Amino acid sequence: QQQVKQSPQSLIVQKGGISIINCAYENTAFDYFPWYQQFPGKGPALLIAIRPDVSEKKEGRFTISFNKSAKQFSLHIMDSQPGDSATYFCAAANYGGSQGNLIFGKGTKLSVKP
Amino acid sequence: EAQVTQNPRYLITVTGKKLTVTCSQNMNHEYMSWYRQDPGLGLRQIYYSMNVEVTDKGDVPEGYKVSRKEKRNFPLILESPSPNQTSLYFCASSSRVGRNEQFFGPGTRLTVL
Repeated sequence: QQQVKQSPQSLIVQKGGISIINCAYENTAFDYFPWYQQFPGKGPALLIAIRPDVSEKKEGRFTISFNKSAKQFSLHIMDSQPGDSATYFCAAANYGGSQGNLIFGKGTKLSVKP
Repeated sequence: EAQVTQNPRYLITVTGKKLTVTCSQNMNHEYMSWYRQDPGLGLRQIYYSMNVEVTDKGDVPEGYKVSRKEKRNFPLILESPSPNQTSLYFCASSSRVGRNEQFFGPGTRLTVL
């Protein structure tokens, strides 16, 4: 049972464009939604995270939009750059519960063309 | 430098030959976890540990064992590896189970022939 669904699987964007990656979750108990960025040959690294008490969080060119009623959240990368080319994973966790492990989406491979 | 280290980084082995992948963190983190990454399947948790001597199964624990005898180390043991365990493995740690960043190691690419 996949608890976090991520789309698209791959994305090609021109330099300067907006990259949008979407995730949907099923468990309404999830209360923490991070995005991880992974470059080839490296481990994932935390990019940005949001809690459900806010609808948007922005850090530089990266923004998370969160829609609690639709159980969806998305990552927007403004002014995409070739250096943003990486695989992006959304994740969710219920840290108010007893376990609290991260459940990852399947990932989106982003290529930004110069 | 704060980091999670894994060894070996690459390993080719044969079916049934026991192996251990080591993981060590120098951040005094309580929580450690193992994931495997497969194309199209993302990151799936194998085992995790909330503290020394406390371990529990993740989503795909079959064929794996772990131990947590020291806070800094969390080895992954494959007692009888099979080809379906060919994968990219990541160890991660965080200061506690909570809204805290998980730090990932560089990965171990395992091929079982």
